[in-house]
Amino acid sequence: NAGVTQTPKFRILKIGQSMTLQCTQDMNHNYMYWYRQDPGMGLKLIYYSVGAGITDKGEVPNGYNVSRSTTEDFPLRLELAAPSQTSVYFCASSPHSGGPYEQYFGPGTRLTVT
Amino acid sequence: QQQVKQSPQSLIVQKGGISIINCAYENTAFDYFPWYQQFPGKGPALLIAIRPDVSEKKEGRFTISFNKSAKQFSLHIMDSQPGDSATYFCAATELSTGANNLFFGTGTRLTVIP
Repeated sequence: NAGVTQTPKFRILKIGQSMTLQCTQDMNHNYMYWYRQDPGMGLKLIYYSVGAGITDKGEVPNGYNVSRSTTEDFPLRLELAAPSQTSVYFCASSPHSGGPYEQYFGPGTRLTVT
Repeated sequence: QQQVKQSPQSLIVQKGGISIINCAYENTAFDYFPWYQQFPGKGPALLIAIRPDVSEKKEGRFTISFNKSAKQFSLHIMDSQPGDSATYFCAATELSTGANNLFFGTGTRLTVIP
């Protein structure tokens, strides 16, 4: 049972490039989340999904896209990378609604845009 | 704007001392208040959580105190140990929305000196 896995661990992008951050969970959780963590700012929710085929925006969705074709996977897409997207990105999952349910976080992806 | 305000930003405590981290919120619809602990290079992990129908919750050396009228809650770490050195995030959510989206504080970096 690996929990929540994220790839890559580190990535450097040039301005204007695109990339996909991968997130997979093996706990059969319905709910999945993407956060970004900036120094002194805590974690901000980018997008979330309550099940396969259903996604919705969080606090800071601009510049990002997501899809959820399976229960296990929740990739985050950056289309035109900007320096403001330099951050550490965390994916999380939790069991179905009705909570409170713990969110389980992956190890993070450190992204630098230069 | 920051939905959950957290202080202090950093805290240094001697081994055996008490560490206290404070959080405040404005949204009275919040009804679940977890604390997450994050070690360097790792994702956050749930430490302890409280619902507003109780004023205190204790788990081992960790205690949450909750003041509903003041819209404040705090984490107390008794007999602080060097292994407690980490960043602590308070958070809040409104369970009735069903999405369990967490609003995080900005974090407190705790250092426990041996």
